[in-house]
Amino acid sequence: GAVVSQHPSRVICKSGTSVKIECRSLDFQATTMFWYRQFPKKSLMLMATSNEGSKATYEQGVEKDKFLINHASLTLSTLTVTSAHPEDSSFYICSARSSDRGAYGYTFGSGTRLTVV
Amino acid sequence: AQKVTQAQTEISVVEKEDVTLDCVYETRDTTYYLFWYKQPPSGELVFLIRRNSFDEQNEISGRYSWNFQKSTSSFNFTITASQVVDSAVYFCALPGGGGYNKLIFGAGTRLAVHP
Repeated sequence: GAVVSQHPSRVICKSGTSVKIECRSLDFQATTMFWYRQFPKKSLMLMATSNEGSKATYEQGVEKDKFLINHASLTLSTLTVTSAHPEDSSFYICSARSSDRGAYGYTFGSGTRLTVV
Repeated sequence: AQKVTQAQTEISVVEKEDVTLDCVYETRDTTYYLFWYKQPPSGELVFLIRRNSFDEQNEISGRYSWNFQKSTSSFNFTITASQVVDSAVYFCALPGGGGYNKLIFGAGTRLAVHP
């Protein structure tokens, strides 16, 4: 089955530094990647949608200069949290969709738990 | 607009009890899909089911069953003879429409199954 590998699973960083989270589709081409954020005991909130080779589309209220998304290839999308602050601590999870798996075939990564100290 | 409501925030049951998790949705689409996911404490999302709005038959998979009622815009999930391993947060989701079909999630229901 389709697999999305998300790394790192956990990361602790100092305030003011940047952190990069990677999502790789291992056995299919991810034409679209969704990035979600989840606060403790809350639901998944969509941050942005990216298509390979295009600029990401950010949801209202999400700072695009803070959460940089790159989807340079059909198998790799990255989310970089720039100048991280404690309030950016959260669980981030990606979801890939492939056009050849149908419009509603979503594959989720295993998530990244970010702690900013 | 697309919306998913899971009114039950937390449910606590004793092992072997049956439990039903409610999901009510709003959509402007005439055809659509509905999803259920399980999120155990480790955090990853486990896909449980995808249901096409054309198919209103109830579905059963082992101890899991789903009741889709288009007339009431509900897609409820029942776990029969619950087990401790069923303890998790369960999310109902609906594609949000638009070109990318982003998934819109409900608030989730936290299920605790006690021995």
